[in-house]
Amino acid sequence: DVKVTQSSRYLVKRTGEKVFLECVQDMDHENMFWYRQDPGLGLRLIYFSYDVKMKEKGDIPEGYSVSREKKERFSLILESASTNQTSMYLCASRKQGSSYGYTFGSGTRLTVV
Amino acid sequence: DAKTTQPNSMESNEEEPVHLPCNHSTISGTDYIHWYRQLPSQGPEYVIHGLTSNVNNRMASLAIAEDRKSSTLILHRATLRDAAVYYCILSLNTPLVFGKGTRLSVIA
Repeated sequence: DVKVTQSSRYLVKRTGEKVFLECVQDMDHENMFWYRQDPGLGLRLIYFSYDVKMKEKGDIPEGYSVSREKKERFSLILESASTNQTSMYLCASRKQGSSYGYTFGSGTRLTVV
Repeated sequence: DAKTTQPNSMESNEEEPVHLPCNHSTISGTDYIHWYRQLPSQGPEYVIHGLTSNVNNRMASLAIAEDRKSSTLILHRATLRDAAVYYCILSLNTPLVFGKGTRLSVIA
């Protein structure tokens, strides 16, 4: 079964910590995406990557960075975690081309205290 | 990005068909119509997508109006496991932009 795996289901971090959220896909997909989901605000795009070493800002990139050194792995980095980054983080991947759907991971619920 | 309009919520009885509407009057000629759903405590799940013609798969059917200004996701026989938020999204090659979707409740 094809999969997008997010390294942690639940994570608690302290304000000011550097946080790494890892996402790995086993489908050889070119495109990968990071979203966050908050009640009342829905899913919002943080960053995405069309292929290895490529990255593009989404709608809310402030306070985040990403890394895509290998095709299967897309990391989201919170340089200095803040309480307003408490959220559900969802990773997705897709094969390049308009005819393909996204596969999402189960999400990481991050709490910053 | 072209906008979609969906009802906030809908209710269905179990084992009955469900028709989830989506209006997208500003759709461009190259936009695909995508449907995703999100079950409680899970990430969104791809359901179906289409461009102009009606589409069927094992999960659902997608009926697209001739002028493409609206579409309908059809679940042929709702089950309790179909209770979820359903998102209708227009996209070509740009990342998906999720709206609020339709929350479907299924009553036993």
